[in-house]
Formats: sequence, C-alpha cells, structure tokens
Amino acid sequence: AQSVTQLGSHVSVSEGALVLLRCNYSSSVPPYLFWYVQYPNQGLQLLLKYTTGATLVKGINGFEAEFKKSETSFHLTKPSAHMSDAAEYFCAVTSSNTGNQFYFGTGTSLTVIP
Amino acid sequence: EAGVAQSPRYKIIEKRQSVAFWCNPISGHATLYWYQQILGQGPKLLIQFQNNGVVDDSQLPKDRFSAERLKGVDSTLKIQPAKLEDSAVYLCASTQQMYQETQYFGPGTRLLVL
Repeated sequence: AQSVTQLGSHVSVSEGALVLLRCNYSSSVPPYLFWYVQYPNQGLQLLLKYTTGATLVKGINGFEAEFKKSETSFHLTKPSAHMSDAAEYFCAVTSSNTGNQFYFGTGTSLTVIP
Repeated sequence: EAGVAQSPRYKIIEKRQSVAFWCNPISGHATLYWYQQILGQGPKLLIQFQNNGVVDDSQLPKDRFSAERLKGVDSTLKIQPAKLEDSAVYLCASTQQMYQETQYFGPGTRLLVL
C-alpha cells in the first residue's frame, strides 16, 4: 500500500523567506513522487516530479524537491517566497506496479505575508 | 494544445436529485481519471479508464455513482441520487499512457448538494 503524509495543513511565510513544505511517503516499492499546486477554483498543476535518477528535482516557479529514501521524504522548497506562491500544494505518490494510481496527501495551504 | 475540459464548472442541486459531469481529456490521452476532492482534503480517485475500459473503480460508490467513456474519448460521471456528503469538487485528469505519466487536470466541477 502507498500513502502520503503532509505535515502542516497551513504554512505562513513572509515574502522573500524560505518556503518549506513537508511530504513523507510510504511505499513498499520504488516510488514516483509528485508535487502539484492548486490555485483557487482551478485544477491541479504539476510543479515537479521524481521518477528515477537525480534525487534533487527542479520544477517550475523556482521550486525544487529532494528525494531522500532513508527518510522517506520529498520536501518541497523555494529559497524566496513570492506573493504569487500563495496556493494549495499537494504531494502525491505512485509506482510502476499500481496501475498508475495516484495517492494524494491532504494538502498544505501556503500563505505569503507581504 | 488544449487542456482537459470539464463542464459545468459549478452545480447546485438538492439531495436526492441527479447530476452529471462531463470531461473531455487532452487529445490522444488514453487514460482518464475522475477524482473527488472534498474541502480540505486531497483528491481521491473514483474511477480510472484506459481507453473505454475500466481499470480501477474500487473507490466508486456504485450504488449511486456511475461513469462511462463509451468511445474512449470523453467521459461522463453521474450521481443518482445525490447526498449531502457528495458536495465536493470533481476533478478529471488524463495521461497519454497508463504508467508513470504526469496527470493533466481539468479545472473541476464544484458540486453543492443542499
């Protein structure tokens, strides 16, 4: 079975500060990990994904995430928050033996304080 | 390239009424997913199609929910009769192939059951 835990349903940061959104996964097989962003009244948009290879993954809008197998984590970071980063962020996991079924975390709402 | 289209965007109905949602995936995408996203939660898979066949509908409440993708292109999701707890955003997503692919999401249909 696979699952995702996102610690912190709400995160607030000041504009220009570091953004850190936490994601831990559970998977009995090598996982494929994703971060999606959801703006109000919109669908989910892919930020970045890890499948194989380099464990540090860079995505759109300056975000990046590092796959740490020993910690079963895939935390999302951005060095400097921008007002436009305010949104809901979802971590998701899938694997090659689950028919591409995705398991999503409960989401983290990011607020950026001017 | 056009994205995933969904309609309607919003729907308000009374409990015990019926409702239907429509999704048109990205052209050429063989795999289509319907998710239910309850407020404050991550998306939960309801049903997954590969072309016009069902791959996974284990979490679809079959006593009231049904879905079809007759020609392997667009799809409809129906709820009959609706309950208060069905109030949610219904997201449609598609992928080109079945495994390890990025899911592209539509804007969702927001359903309110009164």
